[in-house]
Amino acid sequence: AQSVTQLGSHVSVSEGALVLLRCNYSSSVPPYLFWYVQYPNQGLQLLLKYTSAATLVKGINGFEAEFKKSETSFHLTKPSAHMSDAAEYFCAVSGNDYKLSFGAGTTVTVRA
Amino acid sequence: GAGVSQSPSNKVTEKGKDVELRCDPISGHTALYWYRQSLGQGLEFLIYFQGNSAPDKSGLPSDRFSAERTGGSVSTLTIQRTQQEDSAVYLCASSTGTSGWRFLDTQYFGPGTRLTVL
Repeated sequence: AQSVTQLGSHVSVSEGALVLLRCNYSSSVPPYLFWYVQYPNQGLQLLLKYTSAATLVKGINGFEAEFKKSETSFHLTKPSAHMSDAAEYFCAVSGNDYKLSFGAGTTVTVRA
Repeated sequence: GAGVSQSPSNKVTEKGKDVELRCDPISGHTALYWYRQSLGQGLEFLIYFQGNSAPDKSGLPSDRFSAERTGGSVSTLTIQRTQQEDSAVYLCASSTGTSGWRFLDTQYFGPGTRLTVL
């Protein structure tokens, strides 16, 4: 079985500051990991995914995440926050099938 | 192009009533998924359709929940005799279904239907 835990349900950052969203996973098989973003009244949009090709994954909108097996982590970062980054972010994991297991989500607010 | 659409966007119903939630996947996508997001919970998988194969219903929480997909396109999730614990946002997603590794298919999500059971 696979699961993820997102640390922190709410993160507040200043515009231009580093965004760091934490995700730890548990998986009985090699995991495939995803970060999704959800803007208000919109569907989830894939930011990036880890498929074992490279441990540092770059996604859209300047986000990236690093897979660390030793720490069972897949934290999401962005060097400089923009007001448009305000949204809810979900980490997800799958094993060797299509069922995504999502974390509870982290809401990001960006202060001007 | 058009994304995944869901209707209604909001549904308020009384306990014991039946409800139907609709999902229109991206045209040409053969795989369709339903998820549920309850208050304070992460999204949980409900059901998966792939082409003409038998659906994977392993995530449905009870026999009050059912889903069908007509013509390989539109899907309807039906909840019978709704209970207050059914209140949640129901999300539909679709993917091309063409990847040899199904878990690598990117799932495209709709905006969801918020169901409130009074």
